[in-house]
Amino acid sequence: GENVEQHPSTLSVQEGDSAVIKCTYSDSASNYFPWYKQELGKRPQLIIDIRSNVGEKKDQRIAVTLNKTAKHFSLHITETQPEDSAVYFCAASKTGNQFYFGTGTSLTVIP
Amino acid sequence: KAGVTQTPRYLIKTRGQQVTLSCSPISGHRSVSWYQQTPGQGLQFLFEYFSETQRNKGNFPGRFSGRQFSNSRSEMNVSTLELGDSALYLCASSLGTVMLTNYGYTFGSGTRLTVV
Repeated sequence: GENVEQHPSTLSVQEGDSAVIKCTYSDSASNYFPWYKQELGKRPQLIIDIRSNVGEKKDQRIAVTLNKTAKHFSLHITETQPEDSAVYFCAASKTGNQFYFGTGTSLTVIP
Repeated sequence: KAGVTQTPRYLIKTRGQQVTLSCSPISGHRSVSWYQQTPGQGLQFLFEYFSETQRNKGNFPGRFSGRQFSNSRSEMNVSTLELGDSALYLCASSLGTVMLTNYGYTFGSGTRLTVV
């Protein structure tokens, strides 16, 4: 089955700096890659996703890049703010019905 | 539009007992997936139901089972509870195939199960 690895497990950045979280996947058939943000005590929420026919996608301060050849994708958050502090999960799917998640990155934005 | 509702929010059970968790998806969503979330393992896929049929299954023992009703509500059952089953159990609903929509999964708030 699919194996998704996520790095780093923890990340601290100064407010205003950029944060980058990287994930690799093993199944070349995976073609949908969402990112979820989970604040403490809350449910995971989809923040951005990318499909395999696209190399990059942006939504305001958030961007995701995908390298299908290398089988890795990354989340980029620019101009970080304290409210960006949360756990971020990447995921991969080839069916859209079953997802394999990374183990999460705990991001702390220091004011 | 109501979100994904999971009940109960918290449960404490004794080793060896069984437990049933419930998930009501967003109205119109026909797919319900279940995940186990633990600090060390992240989110691990249990199974997915679509139109009352189990469509996908993760690598969990047979003690973990589920079902889906005609109104798309789903239940998950864990028998012969073990200490290692303590986790947050999340369900997520979608229209059926997230890749065909722009909405992805919508997760519920989860049921926190503690086995003592």
